[in-house]
Amino acid sequence: SQKIEQNSEALNIQEGKTATLTCNYTNYSPAYLQWYRQDPGRGPVFLLLIRENEKEKRKERLKVTFDTTLKQSLFHITASQPADSATYLCAQGTQESGYALNFGKGTSLLVTP
Amino acid sequence: EAGVAQSPRYKIIEKRQSVAFWCNPISGHATLYWYQQILGQGPKLLIQFQNNGVVDDSQLPKDRFSAERLKGVDSTLKIQPAKLEDSAVYLCASSLMGDGNTGELFFGEGSRLTVL
Repeated sequence: SQKIEQNSEALNIQEGKTATLTCNYTNYSPAYLQWYRQDPGRGPVFLLLIRENEKEKRKERLKVTFDTTLKQSLFHITASQPADSATYLCAQGTQESGYALNFGKGTSLLVTP
Repeated sequence: EAGVAQSPRYKIIEKRQSVAFWCNPISGHATLYWYQQILGQGPKLLIQFQNNGVVDDSQLPKDRFSAERLKGVDSTLKIQPAKLEDSAVYLCASSLMGDGNTGELFFGEGSRLTVL
């Protein structure tokens, strides 16, 4: 079955740097990928959606790419701030799943001053 | 605009007891989801409703879990009897339409269940 994988290792970066998080999927390309932010004790909050036929999407300091050759999506936060510290979840929607989101485990990001 | 409401926020029960969680989605959202999130894991879909019909419940352990969506609005998720491995956060989410191409899921704050 279609799997989605995120680096489970926490990512620590310095304030002002660009954080890059990776999401890999197996088998076929999902129809779309979504990225969410989750703070401790809270529900996930939607950040960005990118469809299979799109290469890149941007929103303020956020950028997401979709590379169907590498079977990978990269999520970038530029000029990172301590307030960006959270867990970031990647989720795929596929026709197989009826487009219900299938989430990865998430990557924890810590931005230090 | 009010968000997705869930209750209770926390629940502690003994194994073999029963528990119920309630969710009120955003007004006008046709699709409602229940996800289970075990500590350190991503959310796992349990059941998806479109209005008051079930679209996908393939990962719902039907011997102990049940869910309903009354009149296509509120939903209740029940666990009976609970097992230790059911300890998790139960997240409810809603969206305008059934497929993700139309946009994002809106999540509630979750109901944290501890089974002793």
